[in-house]
Amino acid sequence: DAGITQSPRYKITETGRQVTLMCHQTWSHSYMFWYRQDLGHGLRLIYYSAAADITDKGEVSDGYVVSRSKTENFPLTLESATRSQTSVYFCASRTGTSGAYEQYFGPGTRLTVT
Amino acid sequence: RKEVEQDPGPFNVPEGATVAFNCTYSNSASQSFFWYRQDCRKEPKLLMSVYSSGNEDGRFTAQLNRASQYISLLIRDSKLSDSATYLCVVLTGRRALTFGSGTRLQVQP
Repeated sequence: DAGITQSPRYKITETGRQVTLMCHQTWSHSYMFWYRQDLGHGLRLIYYSAAADITDKGEVSDGYVVSRSKTENFPLTLESATRSQTSVYFCASRTGTSGAYEQYFGPGTRLTVT
Repeated sequence: RKEVEQDPGPFNVPEGATVAFNCTYSNSASQSFFWYRQDCRKEPKLLMSVYSSGNEDGRFTAQLNRASQYISLLIRDSKLSDSATYLCVVLTGRRALTFGSGTRLQVQP
């Protein structure tokens, strides 16, 4: 179905494990983003990508890795999960059209690190 | 100082009331502004863009004051379904948006 999807929707993992969160969009949007949302902090940018093979860090990128080999996919990997990475993770996308800066979000992944 | 600041609320209002939220932003170079709505930790959804001249969408009116660096959202004739968290959002040069922490609205019967 069209839109932006994330998987898994819920994940429990142990400290030190590698975890990959998937994001897929069907709009062919140029830009994709990863945010995390924690109580008291709002949404904070982890990484973003302007196009395939172009990525850049956000304000809270430590401990995370991204890749974008295809326009429609933007996976986020936690290299060695820590309890502080327990959060809700949202993927978003938008067009590359100048002046059209609205972002559209996926349903989120709730990650718990034990 | 946070780049985007909002009163967290909650704002508790009766059905039919008019309620207004304000938001301030710190970077005078910010060029685009939005209000998003978020329900119960679900994904944020775009409510409306905010234009310099002010804009209206049904019961919702957004205003931008660049000189004072604040954005407002007015909701008239509040409905129970308006209960949500309202996120003030700005774009400043970077490719990604910066979100305020949100203002919680609870409309009561």
